[in-house]
Amino acid sequence: QVQLVQSGSELRKPGASVKVSCQASGYTFTSYAMSWVRQAPGQGLEWVGWVNTNTRNPTYAQGFTGRFVFSLDTSVSTAYLQITSLKAEDTAVYYCARLFYSGSGRFDYWGQGTLVTVSS
Amino acid sequence: DIQMTQSPSSLSASVGDRVTITCRASQSISSYLNWYQQKPGKAPNLLIYAASSLQSGVPSRFSGSGSGTDFTLTISSLQPEDFATYYCQQSYITPQTFGQGTKVEIK
Repeated sequence: QVQLVQSGSELRKPGASVKVSCQASGYTFTSYAMSWVRQAPGQGLEWVGWVNTNTRNPTYAQGFTGRFVFSLDTSVSTAYLQITSLKAEDTAVYYCARLFYSGSGRFDYWGQGTLVTVSS
Repeated sequence: DIQMTQSPSSLSASVGDRVTITCRASQSISSYLNWYQQKPGKAPNLLIYAASSLQSGVPSRFSGSGSGTDFTLTISSLQPEDFATYYCQQSYITPQTFGQGTKVEIK
């Protein structure tokens, strides 16, 4: 069965960096793109962007360019989200989600989420 | 960016009630509209894709309709496990935007 398993919660100080992992299993990793979605405490869902797991080409939403970087290790079916120069407002749960595209796109499987807390 | 507006933001309903949530896009998105359910502390779960297609494994009491700018999610008979927050999401154009959510609470 399809599973996306994310790394555990992280606590960082402002200005530091963090790297969240999302390991996929149960399907061919390079057959589906991977998206990242952010949810600040008590707030709604915000699309961070997505990465083509074949071409490695990333697309970032406005507001997530520069400090947010997607990467892949296809040998272990894992996607990564790195955030640099962390700010307090980056505190959120970050989800990876498989992008199923067949005519129209949808996020059909999600990781369990990784809480990133930025606090001094 | 396409703005997605859900209404209401919250509602109270009883088990067995018929519940309708609406989602309006700021421009036409054809049928590129998905619905997700999220329970506290959990990841979202896909319910409906392409406006009206039921995701595998989702109970048939959930249905979706609409096209263009106006969409509806209906729960025909609310069950205890349906109390959650529901989000619409457009996949017509990047960035893929979500509605602000509708929280369904127990009356």
